[in-house]
Amino acid sequence: GAVVSQHPSWVICKSGTSVKIECRSLDFQATTMFWYRQFPKQSLMLMATSNEGSKATYEQGVEKDKFLINHASLTLSTLTVTSAHPEDSSFYICSARDLGGRFYEQYFGPGTRLTVT
Amino acid sequence: DQQVKQNSPSLSVQEGRISILNCDYTNSMFDYFLWYKKYPAEGPTFLISISSIKDKNEDGRFTVFLNKSAKHLSLHIVPSQPGDSAVYFCAASALSGSGNTGKLIFGQGTTLQVKP
Repeated sequence: GAVVSQHPSWVICKSGTSVKIECRSLDFQATTMFWYRQFPKQSLMLMATSNEGSKATYEQGVEKDKFLINHASLTLSTLTVTSAHPEDSSFYICSARDLGGRFYEQYFGPGTRLTVT
Repeated sequence: DQQVKQNSPSLSVQEGRISILNCDYTNSMFDYFLWYKKYPAEGPTFLISISSIKDKNEDGRFTVFLNKSAKHLSLHIVPSQPGDSAVYFCAASALSGSGNTGKLIFGQGTTLQVKP
């Protein structure tokens, strides 16, 4: 149980275009999802906390107009990287907290590798 | 400001021996700590956790120790197996704080290599 999927697993896009990444909890409901970014050989940096039916909470230094987050249902959150640039190339990982589980438990998706050319 | 630090980027251990991964934190509000294992191009998978009211938690080959006064925790893996080779992240959360969302703050990770 507690499976989180991400789609796509990898994407290559041209500079200036927008890319949408989906995060789904497959067998549980998640009122809260988190979006992380990981640079090579570095830690997972929390970008934002996504709450179903409300606006996302962004961490300091993260541009909310560039990284649009929508959490429209209890099983789906999306991250849209708008007007992508090469510096946005990274590994993006989402996690979801089980509504019926322990508060501190997060289940992670497999990640999405974004390359902007 | 790195609130959770893993100062050893890598660790190499012989199969069957003990692996000890260390983690330090600076924020005294953290009251829950977790260890995750991560393979390349995959999301982290939960290993073991510990609440600040405890100083030890054991699950099979994995034991986490917490020293609150030193703001230090460690993960012991014994015996180590080649399949344990991965990147290990410690993470911390301030669950009892007001308005907390349960967000996790991760350390930089330690790459463990277990040699056959």
